[in-house]
Amino acid sequence: EIVMTQSPATLSVSPGERATLSCRASQSVSSNLAWYQQKPGQAPRLLIYGASTRATGTPARFSGSGSGTEFTLTISSLQSEDFAVYYCQQYNNWPPLTFGGGTKVEIK
Amino acid sequence: EVQLVESGGGLVQPGGSLRLSCAASGFLFSNYEMSWVRQAPGKGLEWVSDITASSSTIYYADSVKGRFTISRDNAKRSLYLQLNSLRAEDTAVYYCARVAHYETTFDCWGQGTLVTVSS
Repeated sequence: EIVMTQSPATLSVSPGERATLSCRASQSVSSNLAWYQQKPGQAPRLLIYGASTRATGTPARFSGSGSGTEFTLTISSLQSEDFAVYYCQQYNNWPPLTFGGGTKVEIK
Repeated sequence: EVQLVESGGGLVQPGGSLRLSCAASGFLFSNYEMSWVRQAPGKGLEWVSDITASSSTIYYADSVKGRFTISRDNAKRSLYLQLNSLRAEDTAVYYCARVAHYETTFDCWGQGTLVTVSS
């Protein structure tokens, strides 16, 4: 099973600032990595797939990068609606499909 | 509008059973692979099970293998999850999710249904 590790667990950022979230895989997942956003009381929403391709409706301020075992989600200028929990998910080697533990982006 | 609506959650005693349903609308259900993903209270996401469009291939997480059964009825545009031998650690919100055509990612999610296993 591929273990996905996200850091930090919580990120405190002021509106308008840049946020950088990390995701590490226990073995290479190539570029088969997705990012999701989840707001309280809501289902997750797909943001990024293929490590760097924005899903339909994902604003351009969200960008993904990386390959192999190290990945980054960057939010260039945080808006109020971006404060949420973010999860990465690998789909290179499954079953099982595995998620990271999540990074909570909170208002500083 | 693409929509997934889960139902069937509730309170069940340890060792009990429950059947979850997911009604799909707004897309050609029979063309899509589907999954169940769960989230324990205050915790992260855990993939549970996956079924291909024709039901020819089914996968389970080790944590539920032998206890849960995924199925679908394409004529009824519905996905199901039969939960047997339930344990306290199965307590979670269960989401049905559509698997994207191009990648094994989840491009549409239901609102979730809460399963609570407690005596």
